[in-house]
Amino acid sequence: SQQGEEDPQALSIQEGENATMNCSYKTSINNLQWYRQNSGRGLVHLILIRSNEREKHSGRLRVTLDTSKKSSSLLITASRAADTASYFCATVKKSSGDKLTFGTGTRLAVRP
Amino acid sequence: DSGVTQTPKHLITATGQRVTLRCSPRSGDLSVYWYQQSLDQGLQFLIQYYNGEERAKGNILERFSAQQFPDLHSELNLSSLELGDSALYFCASSTSGTPYNEQFFGPGTRLTVL
Repeated sequence: SQQGEEDPQALSIQEGENATMNCSYKTSINNLQWYRQNSGRGLVHLILIRSNEREKHSGRLRVTLDTSKKSSSLLITASRAADTASYFCATVKKSSGDKLTFGTGTRLAVRP
Repeated sequence: DSGVTQTPKHLITATGQRVTLRCSPRSGDLSVYWYQQSLDQGLQFLIQYYNGEERAKGNILERFSAQQFPDLHSELNLSSLELGDSALYFCASSTSGTPYNEQFFGPGTRLTVL
């Protein structure tokens, strides 16, 4: 079953704008990860944030985690057409090994 | 390129048939995971193997089975196929199978059951 919901389900922005995607989850987690998937292809790991971290940066990506609200956000700054993809959050639940439980995903379209 | 390979890329078969999907993990990775992605169920964890042993099971049907061989490659066997089994099947691998290792995904096998 899906651990969480992501919103929006779809997002369309202009190149150069920022894109923010949100993820909510239901149970206590070990860490939360964000993945990108280009249409019908494999998933690419973007960033991992541990449950005791609040914010993490990687290049143009910024991830925040609020464990009290059981939510996370992914910000992509200065978006490019090549950022067009689906973005998934995935959680590793506590006491549940290391399997990933994925959210429903956000489809991002960046218009040139 | 993640270093994880999956074969075949596409598979078209009929209901009631049996298929085998193959995955080769990244060099040195001991842990292999199988995921299914379908339109109605989204991305779901099926099963994990670590160094040849089953480590965790998710929403895997009894008609499905998997194994990991001594050379660490893995196979996912799907039998008595139904229309609803049509999906993308991904294999992922990680180094030690701890909660803090990222998983590297293969390109997937697209299964179509007619």
